[in-house]
Amino acid sequence: RKEVEQDPGPFNVPEGATVAFNCTYSNSASQSFFWYRQDCRKEPKLLMSVYSSGNEDGRFTAQLNRASQYISLLIRDSKLSDSATYLCVVNYDYKLSFGAGTTVTVRA
Amino acid sequence: EAQVTQNPRYLITVTGKKLTVTCSQNMNHEYMSWYRQDPGLGLRQIYYSMNVEVTDKGDVPEGYKVSRKEKRNFPLILESPSPNQTSLYFCASSPGGTSSRSYTFGSGTRLTVV
Repeated sequence: RKEVEQDPGPFNVPEGATVAFNCTYSNSASQSFFWYRQDCRKEPKLLMSVYSSGNEDGRFTAQLNRASQYISLLIRDSKLSDSATYLCVVNYDYKLSFGAGTTVTVRA
Repeated sequence: EAQVTQNPRYLITVTGKKLTVTCSQNMNHEYMSWYRQDPGLGLRQIYYSMNVEVTDKGDVPEGYKVSRKEKRNFPLILESPSPNQTSLYFCASSPGGTSSRSYTFGSGTRLTVV
């Protein structure tokens, strides 16, 4: 079983739409959680950390459910520039575990 | 500018010819790590280092070596590359701490072994 599993998508949505997806992780002792964004096989870049209380960063909302071991990301009012692959990342004891990514394409 | 620099960006080599991919960071980070990314598999950790002279295996260390003689540099060595090591490689660094959010990635190295 993979340590972090994500729906690969692709999610193809029109501009202005809301899109949401999540990932699950297997290690219940995981300590910190992130969403990274990756464009066209370039380097991953931190989008946001994820906290149990839920957190927002502009149009992006992340949630963590430790009991069910899943993490979600919601994008409101999608922009063309949001088209990317979103990586769910879980940290345990200096080791980052990555999901394979969820591809989002926003169309005009 | 704070960054992680990898070289080369692209490399095509032949089976068995030793190569080194360099990684350097200018942020005085303690933690450095190497990953490979293959389609459908996500990034997988090869080796990591928590400080100078301290390295440890990740999930897929076979066929790779690393060294951490200086804080800023963490080269990845392929002693005898094979075609199954064809991949996209990323180096990353972090100040350290189990909850650190500041992982910075290099731009990647596309390696093809023929």
